[in-house]
Amino acid sequence: QSALTQPPSASGSPGQSVTISCTGTSSDIGAYHYVSWYQRLPGRAPKLILYEVNERPSGVPDRFSGSRSDSTASLTVSGLQADDEAIYYCSSYAGVDKFVVFGGGTKLTVL
Amino acid sequence: QVQLQLSGPGLLKSSQTLSLTCAISGDSVSSDTAVWSWIRQSPSRGPEWLGRTYYRDKWYTEYSVSMRTRLVIMPDTSNNHLSLRLSSVIPGDTAEYFCVRGFYGGVFDFWGQGALVTVSS
Repeated sequence: QSALTQPPSASGSPGQSVTISCTGTSSDIGAYHYVSWYQRLPGRAPKLILYEVNERPSGVPDRFSGSRSDSTASLTVSGLQADDEAIYYCSSYAGVDKFVVFGGGTKLTVL
Repeated sequence: QVQLQLSGPGLLKSSQTLSLTCAISGDSVSSDTAVWSWIRQSPSRGPEWLGRTYYRDKWYTEYSVSMRTRLVIMPDTSNNHLSLRLSSVIPGDTAEYFCVRGFYGGVFDFWGQGALVTVSS
């Protein structure tokens, strides 16, 4: 059982937007601004796509955006493309003892 | 471009010790900005952070509570490697293991290709 809760699946048609939620607690997402999102394409290692809730590493398109409200973070993918089909994981800093916790992943399907 | 190349056995038996080595290129294990972590992912589960090491004024190493009694992470500055030793493995340690570079706040900006490790009983 992962510490952060994500829906197992999400889907959308090309060009649409889809939002994936990530629910934690007041000890992780609710306490820190350090929420990250990772994209895992089939056969590839995870790739960082958002950090500090809504910051994008160089090279990540602005179609990917994030937000946080209380203990829930969200990833929105706008203008869905076929190669966005992947598993998306959220993570949050969780303090000195736990350090970082992850979600179980959401499989995004582009219809 | 950072490259993290994992090597180690793919199959072990219960009670054995897992040893993995991560060869780092494009960065230094002694970097004073990077944090080097091991993360694993069991089938159908999310990633699990195991531990990390990093150099600032000295070496720091920290482990997840669940791994503290069995895991040792060590930097090898001579070869620019990162190593993992997990003792007394059980089938529950079956997972894909990753060597990962990160920075502050538990952010992991570069993941090497994982190594699948299977522990049989």
